[in-house]
Amino acid sequence: AQKITQTQPGMFVQEKEAVTLDCTYDTSDPSYGLFWYKQPSSGEMIFLIYQGSYDQQNATEGRYSLNFQKARKSANLVISASQLGDSAMYFCAMREYNQGGKLIFGQGTELSVKP
Amino acid sequence: GAVVSQHPSWVICKSGTSVKIECRSLDFQATTMFWYRQFPKQSLMLMATSNEGSKATYEQGVEKDKFLINHASLTLSTLTVTSAHPEDSSFYICSARSQQATGGYEQYFGPGTRLTVT
Repeated sequence: AQKITQTQPGMFVQEKEAVTLDCTYDTSDPSYGLFWYKQPSSGEMIFLIYQGSYDQQNATEGRYSLNFQKARKSANLVISASQLGDSAMYFCAMREYNQGGKLIFGQGTELSVKP
Repeated sequence: GAVVSQHPSWVICKSGTSVKIECRSLDFQATTMFWYRQFPKQSLMLMATSNEGSKATYEQGVEKDKFLINHASLTLSTLTVTSAHPEDSSFYICSARSQQATGGYEQYFGPGTRLTVT
């Protein structure tokens, strides 16, 4: 069974608008972490934001915020005021603490920002 | 922030030869390193987890005799693709976890190595 699911293979957004990238997860471990990474065409993995399973508040990092709905097991990434440089692949990932710290990635969403 | 380097950044080799990829943590000690492979337009697939001084743990379906991983020190892990074939052509990415990691997001990725087997 897929542990991390991203159902949007590709998304388009107009420059300066906000966009939400979906991510759902499946785990029975009460202690876990959720991550979002950006991968531009160069291939490097750029860490964007992190949410711990025990965190009470949604994580925010500049233009990025994570809409964490624990009961629904979703961890959507919201990018506000999209910029052309935001065009990239975006991956949601999960780390379960009883699994040795390894990150498991979703399928990814390719975001294209239109001028 | 912490830096992880990979060498080489790209390599072309002939079918049947072996290729070694190095992953180094430059300014921190990494007790655990992870190796991923990524095909074009696909996700990162975890291949194995290596801990310094012990044998790597391979994910299901990954041939440990083909993908040899050595984590000889707290700053260096190597992945050797033995008897490479065209289907091994891929983007290989390493990730290193800090010794001081208490959770959170103390995990850093290398820039990746693009392997092409002809």
